[in-house]
Amino acid sequence: DIQMTQSPSSMSASLGDRVTITCQASQDIGNNLIWFQQKPGKSPRPMIYYATNLANGVPSRFSGSRSGSDYSLTISSLESEDMADYHCLQYKQYPNTFGAGTKLELK
Amino acid sequence: EVQLVESGGGLVQPGRSLKLSCVASGFTFSNYGMNWIRQAPGKGLEWVAYISSGSSYIYYAETVKGRFTISRDNAKNTLYLQMTSLRSEDTALYYCARPTNWFAYWGQGTLVTVSS
Repeated sequence: DIQMTQSPSSMSASLGDRVTITCQASQDIGNNLIWFQQKPGKSPRPMIYYATNLANGVPSRFSGSRSGSDYSLTISSLESEDMADYHCLQYKQYPNTFGAGTKLELK
Repeated sequence: EVQLVESGGGLVQPGRSLKLSCVASGFTFSNYGMNWIRQAPGKGLEWVAYISSGSSYIYYAETVKGRFTISRDNAKNTLYLQMTSLRSEDTALYYCARPTNWFAYWGQGTLVTVSS
């Protein structure tokens, strides 16, 4: 099975900060990765698909990138509405696997 | 509008069984594969199982293989998850989700609590 190692598990940042969350894949997944945002009591929402593509309605301050087996989600200028949990998912093969998640909090 | 509505969760004793349902509307259910995904309280997401549109392809996470069975009834627009030999570690909010369109569609989840 493909393991997705997500870091950090939690972080605190200030409004306007640039924030980066990373998932490392244990095997080649191509660009078959989705980043989700999840707010308390809500279902996950896709933010980035195919590693680098912005999902419908997602603000342009969000971006995705890849370097080798490392996949990153970056928020260029943090806003209060971005405080949430973030999860990566590889869908290259079954079983699909999620990273452990990152809790993003306001400093 | 795509809607997915889960039901069937509840409190169950370890070792017992439970069957979850997910009723789909707003799209042609029989054309799409479907997933079950769960989230333990305060924890991350865990992919559980997938079934293709015609039930020809089925996959499970190792943690549930041999205990859980995913199925569907396309005539009833309904996805199922039969869970047997339940353990405390199966306690979670169970979501159904459609994987096409980048997992854009999820239900609200149904809570399963395994406890004596």
